[in-house]
Amino acid sequence: EVQLVESGGGLVQPGGSLRLSCVAFGFTFDDYAMLWVRQAPGKGLEWVASISWNSVYTPYADSVKGRFSISRDNAKNSVYLQMNSLRPEDTALYYCTKGLGSSSLTPSDYWGLGTLVTVSS
Amino acid sequence: DIQMTQSPSSLAASVGDRVTITCQANQDISNYLNWYQQKPGKAPKLLIYDISNLKKGVPSRFSGSGSGTHFSFTISSLQPEDIATYYCQQYDDFVTFGGGTRVELK
Repeated sequence: EVQLVESGGGLVQPGGSLRLSCVAFGFTFDDYAMLWVRQAPGKGLEWVASISWNSVYTPYADSVKGRFSISRDNAKNSVYLQMNSLRPEDTALYYCTKGLGSSSLTPSDYWGLGTLVTVSS
Repeated sequence: DIQMTQSPSSLAASVGDRVTITCQANQDISNYLNWYQQKPGKAPKLLIYDISNLKKGVPSRFSGSGSGTHFSFTISSLQPEDIATYYCQQYDDFVTFGGGTRVELK
């Protein structure tokens, strides 16, 4: 059974940093892309970033480019999202998702439960 | 940037009704169009990928169609467990979601 478990969320002041982690179970991790998708309270879904199976391709949403960085460790079945220069508008539930395919742009066929990031002073 | 316009933003229907949601892209996205279901308080689930491919295990009352810039998602006979918000998503050029359609029971 595929399972994605996020961690690392919390309350942070504007301008601060957080590192989200996601550990995956139940599939051959290094065969698939991984993506982060966020959802602000009461709002819709917003794609944040993706990483291909081999880490070569890492596209980002314009709203986070230059501030966030996605990475993965295939030996640890884990994907990460380093978030710097956080803004109040980054407040959201951050979902780790598994790609249907191996390339960085792919549907998300499994989702974690999410980890909440709150940016506030 | 590709923008996805989803309509309606909400609808109310009765059990057994046929429900259709549309999604329009502002440029051709080929077949890179997916549909997700999100129930209140839960993570989204992929229902349909690449316009019309049903993910394994998804009931056959869900279907998708379209091409180019115009796409539709249909529930052939609405069930109580289908009450949710539905999102379209393109992945032809980066990734963009539609604004969502909340489906409620009349």
